[in-house]
Amino acid sequence: AQSVTQPDIHITVSEGASLELRCNYSYGATPYLFWYVQSPGQGLQLLLKYFSGDTLVQGIKGFEAEFKRSQSSFNLRKPSVHWSDAAEYFCVTGTASKLTFGTGTRLQVTL
Amino acid sequence: DTAVSQTPKYLVTQMGNDKSIKCEQNLGHDTMYWYKQDSKKFLKIMFSYNNKELIINETVPNRFSPKSPDKAHLNLHINSLELGDSAVYFCASSQERTSLNTGELFFGEGSRLTVL
Repeated sequence: AQSVTQPDIHITVSEGASLELRCNYSYGATPYLFWYVQSPGQGLQLLLKYFSGDTLVQGIKGFEAEFKRSQSSFNLRKPSVHWSDAAEYFCVTGTASKLTFGTGTRLQVTL
Repeated sequence: DTAVSQTPKYLVTQMGNDKSIKCEQNLGHDTMYWYKQDSKKFLKIMFSYNNKELIINETVPNRFSPKSPDKAHLNLHINSLELGDSAVYFCASSQERTSLNTGELFFGEGSRLTVL
């Protein structure tokens, strides 16, 4: 079965610093991959998605992610973090009818 | 206007009680979902309905019964509540039957259920 692993439970970065959140997937063929963000007390919002094609995907709020088949990774990046980016980030993979969520990475931003 | 709205936002109840959580979406989507998020933030799908038809029914105790009176509403009824049912329940919707067509689920803000 498809799955994703987020090795970092909690990450702290300073405002203005760059960010990379790690995600590894396990699937033989090209997976469908997504990143969702959950702000405190809120529902989840889609940041970006990868189905095929260009391996560097741009998303909302200045985020991007790169699909690397050789590393089975789909890491999320942002060049300069803002305090409002503090949230829980979920890497997600999909099958024909449902999404499977990773365990999440909590991002804390220090001023 | 809230796209996906759930009520109540917080629910505290005793073991053994029966409770319902309501969900409504005004996005015109055909597919709606219920997800459960446990204390470790792990999200798992419970049910999915497409145009009032049940299309996903994960391994969920039959104490949980979803009901979709129309495609804009998907309610979750839970009988004989147990301590382990404490969680945040998220309703979501998507435009297509398979969420992969757009990859985007629209989530409500969640309903935090606490069973004492």
